[in-house]
Amino acid sequence: SQQGEEDPQALSIQEGENATMNCSYKTSINNLQWYRQNSGRGLVHLILIRSNEREKHSGRLRVTLDTSKKSSSLLITASRAADTASYFCATAATGFQKLVFGTGTRLLVSP
Amino acid sequence: DARVTQTPRHKVTEMGQEVTMRCQPILGHNTVFWYRQTMMQGLELLAYFRNRAPLDDSGMPKDRFSAEMPDATLATLKIQPSEPRDSAVYFCASGLPRGEQFFGPGTRLTVL
Repeated sequence: SQQGEEDPQALSIQEGENATMNCSYKTSINNLQWYRQNSGRGLVHLILIRSNEREKHSGRLRVTLDTSKKSSSLLITASRAADTASYFCATAATGFQKLVFGTGTRLLVSP
Repeated sequence: DARVTQTPRHKVTEMGQEVTMRCQPILGHNTVFWYRQTMMQGLELLAYFRNRAPLDDSGMPKDRFSAEMPDATLATLKIQPSEPRDSAVYFCASGLPRGEQFFGPGTRLTVL
């Protein structure tokens, strides 16, 4: 069963716009990670944020984590058509090493 | 450029046949994961290993699935006998504990 629920399930925007995806989870975590999956391909790690961190940046990506609300958001700024993919959050529970993935958000960026 | 490799990339088989999927993790990674992805269930963890020892295989149907790591460079996932409901994309990933995971390209399995 999946721990994370992502919102929205699908998002369609124009190039240059920002895209925001949200993830909620259920149990205590050690860290939360975001992955991207292009159609027919494996997942690619984007960013990892630890439970004692609140915000992290990587290039055009900004991730926030609110452990009190058990939620995280991924912001992609100045989106490009190449950002079209599915985005998944994944949590590593405290004391465990395995990841539990969310349901994913399908992002479509139109030129 | 270190990558996780998986073979075969595609497999079509008939119900009842044995299926073996192979994965070569990235050298130096001591944790290996097997996932299954379907439209209905999403991405599910089947089993994972650390230093070649199985840590958790609770996500795997024990009666027909088995996962092993004969050595540090090879992980296998076997289904015997296969059933149509096993049709899915199977991903292998490797990494370090509590860190990012690196995914292979997947094996797309179709059981007729």
